[in-house]
Amino acid sequence: GAVVSQHPSRVICKSGTSVKIECRSLDFQATTMFWYRQFPKQSLMLMATSNEGSKATYEQGVEKDKFLINHASLTLSTLTVTSAHPEDSSFYICSARDEWGRVGNSPLHFGNGTRLTVT
Amino acid sequence: SQQGEEDPQALSIQEGENATMNCSYKTSINNLQWYRQNSGRGLVHLILIRSNEREKHSGRLRVTLDTSKKSSSLLITASRAADTASYFCATDVGYGQNFVFGPGTRLSVLP
Repeated sequence: GAVVSQHPSRVICKSGTSVKIECRSLDFQATTMFWYRQFPKQSLMLMATSNEGSKATYEQGVEKDKFLINHASLTLSTLTVTSAHPEDSSFYICSARDEWGRVGNSPLHFGNGTRLTVT
Repeated sequence: SQQGEEDPQALSIQEGENATMNCSYKTSINNLQWYRQNSGRGLVHLILIRSNEREKHSGRLRVTLDTSKKSSSLLITASRAADTASYFCATDVGYGQNFVFGPGTRLSVLP
């Protein structure tokens, strides 16, 4: 089945530093990837839609300059949390649809998430 | 606002019992999907039901969809301790667009 690899799985950083999270589709091409944030015991909150070769589409309330998204190839999207602060500590998850998903009725394939802790 | 809303929010049952989770949504959909999430992990796709389907089975899973009531249910039969996880419904509202996830049901299956 389709596999999405997300790296790193855990990261601890100091306040003010930047952290990059990678999301790769291993055996399929993904023109669209999605980035979510999840708080404990809550659902996924969509942050942005990452589009290969174009700018990401951010959800309302998500700071574009804070959460930089780059989708430079059909298999890789990155989320960079810039100047991280303790309130950015959370679980970040990416997902992707393969090319056939463009015609609908296909599932999302998820990475295993990244636990970010900002001290 | 949340498109999909599951109930109950939490469910605790004994091994061997059946678990039923419900999902309601608000707008028209192309399909509805159920996902499972183990603690601290990503989501795993369980089953997809199209808007023109009413019931679907996959192993111990049974999903129903009632588009007139804008609701779906997920039944897990003969539950096992390994079924302990959070379960989310997600509605696909448009081709190529994002899914909208409900708040999830946390299922605990006690041995």
